[in-house]
Amino acid sequence: KNEVEQSPQNLTAQEGEFITINCSYSVGISALHWLQQHPGGGIVSLFMLSSGKKKHGRLIATINIQEKHSSLHITASHPRDSAVYICAVLPQAWTSGSRLTFGEGTQLTVNP
Amino acid sequence: GAVVSQHPSWVICKSGTSVKIECRSLDFQATTMFWYRQFPKQSLMLMATSNEGSKATYEQGVEKDKFLINHASLTLSTLTVTSAHPEDSSFYICSARDRGRNTIYFGEGSWLTVV
Repeated sequence: KNEVEQSPQNLTAQEGEFITINCSYSVGISALHWLQQHPGGGIVSLFMLSSGKKKHGRLIATINIQEKHSSLHITASHPRDSAVYICAVLPQAWTSGSRLTFGEGTQLTVNP
Repeated sequence: GAVVSQHPSWVICKSGTSVKIECRSLDFQATTMFWYRQFPKQSLMLMATSNEGSKATYEQGVEKDKFLINHASLTLSTLTVTSAHPEDSSFYICSARDRGRNTIYFGEGSWLTVV
């Protein structure tokens, strides 16, 4: 069992739909990243969460530390949101050299 | 704008040659940088952790003599793929830890093709 699991692996939506991507993890963490990777490969960190909820534009990320679960929501989805979304966790007591653990990623395709 | 710059974005090299990829933090000091590789449709795989002024820590299965990592300053780490082979063709990406903001930033990545 992976330490970080994402669902779904693939997601196809119509433009305008509300999208949810889930991330569950099994280790104690100090923070969780949601990353976006476009087909060209470049990675952007969308959110870093340690508790609660964050919102940026049409993107919302929530985390429940007790349940070891996080969700990324996209409201009013658009074709330009098509990308791979990756959940990554930072371990507790993140010291120099500690490493991120990544989920497998969710391939999102939003059709016009 | 980007706070971690990776160069080159893409490179083609001949088998047997070496190629160097640079990772720079632009507006912060990165005491720790991470190097990853990613094969198509696969997750990022950590290759090594680079700490400024000391030897890199390599993950199991990563040849340290083949993938040379140097982190000589607080803003620059380099990955040199030595004696490259076609199977080294991959997407290489670095990330850098900003201790001041307690977060990490990713470089734009480098596509390496070995022919």
